[in-house]
Amino acid sequence: AAGVIQSPRHLIKEKRETATLKCYPIPRHDTVYWYQQGPGQDPQFLISFYEKMQSDKGSIPDRFSAQQFSDYHSELNMSSLELGDSALYFCASSIGTPSYNEQFFGPGTRLTVL
Amino acid sequence: GDSVTQMEGPVTLSEEAFLTINCTYTATGYPSLFWYVQYPGEGLQLLLKATKADDKGSNKGFEATYRKETTSFHLEKGSVQVSDSAVYFCALASSGGSYIPTFGRGTSLIVHP
Repeated sequence: AAGVIQSPRHLIKEKRETATLKCYPIPRHDTVYWYQQGPGQDPQFLISFYEKMQSDKGSIPDRFSAQQFSDYHSELNMSSLELGDSALYFCASSIGTPSYNEQFFGPGTRLTVL
Repeated sequence: GDSVTQMEGPVTLSEEAFLTINCTYTATGYPSLFWYVQYPGEGLQLLLKATKADDKGSNKGFEATYRKETTSFHLEKGSVQVSDSAVYFCALASSGGSYIPTFGRGTSLIVHP
C-alpha cells in the first residue's frame, strides 16, 4: 500500500541557511500535518492543512512557513536556520478533519544544522 | 491543556517477559487514546487505540484499556519478542485540541534474546 513520502530523508545545512522539506500524502488523503521531534523528545505539532487551507497551528516558529498545493503535497520552508532546529521532521496525512481520523506518518526528514 | 505522562525508559526485558508501560493523561472532555510505535529510523505507526471509557485496544499481542476513573491507558504484552524493541508513544486526541494528537515523551523498550 502507498505510504506517506517525505523528501529528502536527510538534510545538512549551515546556520542561517534555508531548507525546504516536502511531503507527499497517501493518495486521496486531503489533510497534512507537520511535526518536529527533537532528540529524545516527543513529536511536537507544528501546523496542519486541510484542502489546501491551514487548519491548525501549533508551535511553529515564525521563521518557518508551510503550504499545501493543489495536488495535496505540502512543503515546509525553514529560514534562518538555528542549531536548535536540528530534529526529525515528520509529516502525516489523513482523510478529513476535524474529527479524528487516523494519521499515517511518513519516515521523516532528519535535519542537521551545523 | 491536554497532556500525557508515560513512564521513563529505557525498559529492558528478556524475550518472553511480560511488558507494562504506564501512561496517564489529563484532558478536558472525552479524548481518544492511542499507542504509537516507532522503530529505529522509521516514522510513527499506530499500534492501537480506544475511543471511549472501558474500551480495550489490541494489536499484535499488545493491549491497552481506557480507564477513565484512573485516567490511564497502560500498554501491556504478555510475551515480548526481540522485534518489539522500539520506542512507544502514548497519545491522546480531543475536541479541545482540534483532534491533533498530544504525545507523551516516549518509552524505549529493549528486548534481549
